[in-house]
Amino acid sequence: GEDVEQSLFLSVREGDSSVINCTYTDSSSTYLYWYKQEPGAGLQLLTYIFSNMDMKQDQRLTVLLNKKDKHLSLRIADTQTGDSAIYFCAESPSGGSYIPTFGRGTSLIVHP
Amino acid sequence: DAGITQSPRHKVTETGTPVTLRCHQTENHRYMYWYRQDPGHGLRLIHYSYGVKDTDKGEVSDGYSVSRSKTEDFLLTLESATSSQTSVYFCAISEKDQGATNTGELFFGEGSRLTVL
Repeated sequence: GEDVEQSLFLSVREGDSSVINCTYTDSSSTYLYWYKQEPGAGLQLLTYIFSNMDMKQDQRLTVLLNKKDKHLSLRIADTQTGDSAIYFCAESPSGGSYIPTFGRGTSLIVHP
Repeated sequence: DAGITQSPRHKVTETGTPVTLRCHQTENHRYMYWYRQDPGHGLRLIHYSYGVKDTDKGEVSDGYSVSRSKTEDFLLTLESATSSQTSVYFCAISEKDQGATNTGELFFGEGSRLTVL
Protein backbone atom coordinates (compact mmCIF):
# COMPACT_ATOMS: atom_id res chain seq x y z
CA GLY A 1 0.00 0.00 0.00
CA GLU A 2 0.92 3.67 -0.28
CA ASP A 3 3.02 5.33 2.38
CA VAL A 4 1.31 8.68 1.84
CA GLU A 5 -2.41 8.78 1.10
CA GLN A 6 -4.66 11.61 0.06
CA SER A 7 -8.02 11.92 -1.62
CA LEU A 8 -7.90 12.49 -5.37
CA PHE A 9 -10.41 15.31 -5.82
CA LEU A 10 -11.84 18.30 -3.97
CA SER A 11 -14.32 20.80 -5.33
CA VAL A 12 -15.11 24.11 -3.58
CA ARG A 13 -16.75 27.43 -4.33
CA GLU A 14 -14.69 30.56 -4.69
CA GLY A 15 -14.41 32.33 -1.35
CA ASP A 16 -14.90 29.17 0.71
CA SER A 17 -12.15 27.42 2.64
CA SER A 18 -10.51 24.31 1.22
CA VAL A 19 -9.11 21.55 3.38
CA ILE A 20 -6.90 18.90 1.84
CA ASN A 21 -6.04 15.93 4.02
CA CYS A 22 -3.14 13.50 4.00
CA THR A 23 -2.06 10.52 6.06
CA TYR A 24 1.49 9.22 6.23
CA THR A 25 3.22 6.27 7.80
CA ASP A 26 6.80 7.24 8.66
CA SER A 27 6.76 8.64 12.20
CA SER A 28 10.44 9.56 11.93
CA SER A 29 9.98 12.03 9.08
CA THR A 30 11.61 15.34 9.89
CA TYR A 31 9.60 17.49 7.52
CA LEU A 32 6.23 17.19 5.86
CA TYR A 33 5.53 19.12 2.70
CA TRP A 34 2.79 20.44 0.51
CA TYR A 35 3.66 20.90 -3.14
CA LYS A 36 1.47 22.63 -5.70
CA GLN A 37 1.33 21.76 -9.40
CA GLU A 38 -0.37 24.18 -11.74
CA PRO A 39 -1.53 22.95 -15.16
CA GLY A 40 1.34 22.23 -17.52
CA ALA A 41 4.01 22.93 -14.92
CA GLY A 42 6.26 21.11 -12.52
CA LEU A 43 5.71 20.87 -8.79
CA GLN A 44 6.68 23.74 -6.52
CA LEU A 45 6.97 23.68 -2.76
CA LEU A 46 3.98 25.51 -1.29
CA THR A 47 4.78 25.12 2.38
CA TYR A 48 6.28 22.68 4.83
CA ILE A 49 6.10 21.93 8.53
CA PHE A 50 8.79 20.67 10.83
CA SER A 51 7.82 17.53 12.70
CA ASN A 52 8.02 19.15 16.15
CA MET A 53 5.32 21.68 15.23
CA ASP A 54 1.56 21.28 15.40
CA MET A 55 0.58 24.18 13.20
CA LYS A 56 2.06 26.57 10.73
CA GLN A 57 0.33 29.58 9.22
CA ASP A 58 1.44 31.47 6.15
CA GLN A 59 -1.02 34.08 4.87
CA ARG A 60 -4.03 32.12 3.56
CA LEU A 61 -2.42 28.76 4.23
CA THR A 62 -2.67 26.80 7.48
CA VAL A 63 -0.92 23.48 7.94
CA LEU A 64 -1.99 21.23 10.80
CA LEU A 65 0.04 18.24 11.89
CA ASN A 66 -1.27 15.49 14.17
CA LYS A 67 1.71 13.27 14.81
CA LYS A 68 -0.23 10.81 16.93
CA ASP A 69 -2.58 10.04 14.06
CA LYS A 70 0.03 10.72 11.35
CA HIS A 71 -2.36 13.16 9.76
CA LEU A 72 -1.46 16.33 7.87
CA SER A 73 -3.87 18.89 6.48
CA LEU A 74 -3.65 21.99 4.35
CA ARG A 75 -6.31 24.66 4.73
CA ILE A 76 -6.61 27.39 2.13
CA ALA A 77 -8.73 30.31 3.31
CA ASP A 78 -10.78 32.39 0.87
CA THR A 79 -10.04 29.99 -1.99
CA GLN A 80 -9.60 31.65 -5.36
CA THR A 81 -9.87 30.27 -8.89
CA GLY A 82 -6.10 30.66 -9.13
CA ASP A 83 -5.76 28.06 -6.38
CA SER A 84 -7.07 25.40 -8.78
CA ALA A 85 -4.20 22.94 -9.04
CA ILE A 86 -2.99 19.54 -7.90
CA TYR A 87 -1.68 19.49 -4.33
CA PHE A 88 0.79 16.82 -3.29
CA CYS A 89 1.54 15.81 0.26
CA ALA A 90 5.05 14.44 0.86
CA GLU A 91 7.10 13.22 3.78
CA SER A 92 10.80 13.75 4.10
CA PRO A 93 13.38 11.04 3.83
CA SER A 94 14.40 9.29 7.01
CA GLY A 95 16.70 6.51 8.09
CA GLY A 96 19.48 7.59 5.76
CA SER A 97 17.30 7.74 2.65
CA TYR A 98 17.09 10.91 0.61
CA ILE A 99 14.02 9.94 -1.36
CA PRO A 100 10.88 11.78 -0.29
CA THR A 101 7.59 9.91 -0.52
CA PHE A 102 4.76 11.64 -2.37
CA GLY A 103 1.04 11.07 -2.23
CA ARG A 104 -0.93 10.72 -5.47
CA GLY A 105 -2.07 14.33 -5.38
CA THR A 106 -5.41 16.02 -4.76
CA SER A 107 -6.97 17.94 -7.65
CA LEU A 108 -8.56 21.09 -6.25
CA ILE A 109 -11.25 22.57 -8.47
CA VAL A 110 -12.53 26.01 -7.54
CA HIS A 111 -15.90 27.03 -8.97
CA PRO A 112 -16.77 30.71 -9.46
CA ASP B 1 13.69 29.67 -9.34
CA ALA B 2 16.03 26.73 -9.35
CA GLY B 3 17.96 26.43 -12.62
CA ILE B 4 16.61 23.21 -14.06
CA THR B 5 15.91 22.69 -17.71
CA GLN B 6 14.50 19.61 -19.36
CA SER B 7 14.78 18.77 -23.02
CA PRO B 8 12.95 18.07 -25.15
CA ARG B 9 9.76 19.46 -23.63
CA HIS B 10 7.60 17.50 -26.06
CA LYS B 11 8.36 14.44 -28.11
CA VAL B 12 6.34 12.03 -30.22
CA THR B 13 8.02 8.81 -31.21
CA GLU B 14 7.19 5.35 -32.43
CA THR B 15 7.25 2.08 -30.55
CA GLY B 16 10.67 0.48 -30.56
CA THR B 17 12.71 3.63 -31.05
CA PRO B 18 15.25 4.85 -28.49
CA VAL B 19 14.55 8.08 -26.63
CA THR B 20 16.79 10.17 -24.39
CA LEU B 21 15.52 12.92 -22.11
CA ARG B 22 17.97 15.38 -20.65
CA CYS B 23 17.91 17.22 -17.36
CA HIS B 24 20.37 20.05 -16.87
CA GLN B 25 20.89 21.96 -13.61
CA THR B 26 22.94 25.01 -12.78
CA GLU B 27 22.54 24.70 -8.99
CA ASN B 28 25.35 22.24 -8.30
CA HIS B 29 22.89 20.09 -6.32
CA ARG B 30 24.17 16.64 -5.60
CA TYR B 31 20.91 14.71 -5.93
CA MET B 32 18.90 14.34 -9.11
CA TYR B 33 15.73 12.35 -9.75
CA TRP B 34 13.57 11.24 -12.65
CA TYR B 35 9.84 10.81 -12.03
CA ARG B 36 6.95 9.97 -14.29
CA GLN B 37 3.48 11.33 -13.73
CA ASP B 38 0.39 9.49 -14.87
CA PRO B 39 -3.29 10.06 -14.05
CA GLY B 40 -4.30 8.12 -10.96
CA HIS B 41 -0.71 7.23 -10.10
CA GLY B 42 0.72 10.56 -9.04
CA LEU B 43 4.49 10.77 -9.16
CA ARG B 44 6.51 7.58 -9.43
CA LEU B 45 10.26 7.50 -9.08
CA ILE B 46 12.12 5.94 -12.00
CA HIS B 47 15.78 6.41 -11.11
CA TYR B 48 17.82 8.76 -9.00
CA SER B 49 21.42 9.85 -8.65
CA TYR B 50 23.39 10.75 -5.55
CA GLY B 51 26.51 11.88 -7.35
CA VAL B 52 28.48 11.61 -10.57
CA LYS B 53 28.30 8.03 -11.81
CA ASP B 54 26.25 7.07 -8.73
CA THR B 55 22.71 6.06 -9.61
CA ASP B 56 20.07 3.73 -8.28
CA LYS B 57 16.66 2.37 -9.24
CA GLY B 58 13.33 3.71 -8.16
CA GLU B 59 9.99 1.92 -8.04
CA VAL B 60 9.34 1.86 -11.83
CA SER B 61 12.80 1.43 -13.36
CA ASP B 62 12.07 -1.38 -15.82
CA GLY B 63 12.64 -0.23 -19.41
CA TYR B 64 14.65 2.82 -18.35
CA SER B 65 18.33 3.54 -17.86
CA VAL B 66 20.12 6.65 -16.65
CA SER B 67 23.55 8.19 -16.75
CA ARG B 68 25.23 10.98 -14.90
CA SER B 69 28.71 11.75 -16.21
CA LYS B 70 28.84 15.22 -14.69
CA THR B 71 27.09 17.01 -11.85
CA GLU B 72 24.87 19.16 -14.02
CA ASP B 73 23.40 16.55 -16.37
CA PHE B 74 21.18 13.54 -15.69
CA LEU B 75 20.01 11.60 -18.75
CA LEU B 76 17.05 9.25 -18.90
CA THR B 77 17.06 6.72 -21.75
CA LEU B 78 14.29 4.50 -23.03
CA GLU B 79 16.20 1.91 -25.04
CA SER B 80 13.12 0.75 -26.95
CA ALA B 81 10.07 2.89 -26.25
CA THR B 82 6.69 1.27 -25.63
CA SER B 83 3.22 2.78 -25.51
CA SER B 84 3.11 2.22 -21.74
CA GLN B 85 5.93 4.74 -21.45
CA THR B 86 3.73 7.52 -22.77
CA SER B 87 3.81 9.93 -19.86
CA VAL B 88 5.01 13.24 -18.51
CA TYR B 89 8.52 12.97 -17.14
CA PHE B 90 9.83 15.27 -14.44
CA CYS B 91 13.37 15.85 -13.33
CA ALA B 92 14.02 17.09 -9.80
CA ILE B 93 17.06 18.09 -7.80
CA SER B 94 17.83 18.42 -4.10
CA GLU B 95 20.52 18.52 -1.50
CA LYS B 96 20.74 15.59 0.93
CA ASP B 97 21.21 16.82 4.40
CA GLN B 98 18.38 18.51 6.26
CA GLY B 99 20.44 21.03 8.11
CA ALA B 100 19.37 24.29 9.62
CA THR B 101 18.99 25.92 6.24
CA ASN B 102 18.00 22.98 4.12
CA THR B 103 14.52 21.55 4.39
CA GLY B 104 15.03 18.72 1.92
CA GLU B 105 12.91 20.51 -0.67
CA LEU B 106 12.88 19.13 -4.19
CA PHE B 107 13.05 21.54 -7.12
CA PHE B 108 11.30 20.34 -10.25
CA GLY B 109 11.76 20.98 -13.91
CA GLU B 110 8.85 21.90 -16.19
CA GLY B 111 8.38 18.36 -17.46
CA SER B 112 8.84 16.50 -20.75
CA ARG B 113 5.73 15.13 -22.40
CA LEU B 114 6.49 11.90 -24.28
CA THR B 115 4.02 10.19 -26.57
CA VAL B 116 4.85 6.74 -27.92
CA LEU B 117 2.68 5.72 -30.86
